[in-house]
Amino acid sequence: ETGVTQTPRHLVMGMTNKKSLKCEQHLGHNAMYWYKQSAKKPLELMFVYSLEERVENNSVPSRFSPECPNSSHLFLHLHTLQPEDSALYLCASSQEVAIANYGYTFGSGTRLTVV
Amino acid sequence: DAKTTQPPSMDCAEGRAANLPCNHSTISGNEYVYWYRQIHSQGPQYIIHGLKNNETNEMASLIITEDRKSSTLILPHATLRDTAVYYCIVSTSYNTDKLIFGTGTRLQVFP
Repeated sequence: ETGVTQTPRHLVMGMTNKKSLKCEQHLGHNAMYWYKQSAKKPLELMFVYSLEERVENNSVPSRFSPECPNSSHLFLHLHTLQPEDSALYLCASSQEVAIANYGYTFGSGTRLTVV
Repeated sequence: DAKTTQPPSMDCAEGRAANLPCNHSTISGNEYVYWYRQIHSQGPQYIIHGLKNNETNEMASLIITEDRKSSTLILPHATLRDTAVYYCIVSTSYNTDKLIFGTGTRLQVFP
């Protein structure tokens, strides 16, 4: 177990559904991130949160809505997704919003399939 | 944009050393070199990082050239479980900088 837990591990949803991805970290980190990894593409940084405040949004469509209720939890709310949104969604955390000495700790990801 | 260049794939025999190169010719003085790896369908895992000096930990060694324009990650005794995509990333530790991943090197360790 890496210290960053993501649920569910797999999710299949229709284009009209609403679902949420959950990420939880028990490392005492202050920063959390959402990444997207599509097939045969590099990881793409989506959102950055520092102390529950969103500090970066990398031109992500509004059908993806992040929420960070506290420094240990991060959600990604999904609605009216498209098939091209099918990907592995990875959550990560770090001590601060900086790479610092040991970088990021990643979860195992949620494999999302939009049908 | 990723600031590094890595070969797309490499093979290594089990038990032998795996030497993964990375070019980062535009690296600036305050940028570190980080290595992560991603085993199939899992999240990336931190391996090692360095600034100027060579570094070693229980997973790997990092050799950085004197001009810092390239580096090599060494897995001294590769095992089948080391089969993964290895990412070389350069970045500062400032709070405005983030981990930006490139396409990495797919290392295949064979028996």
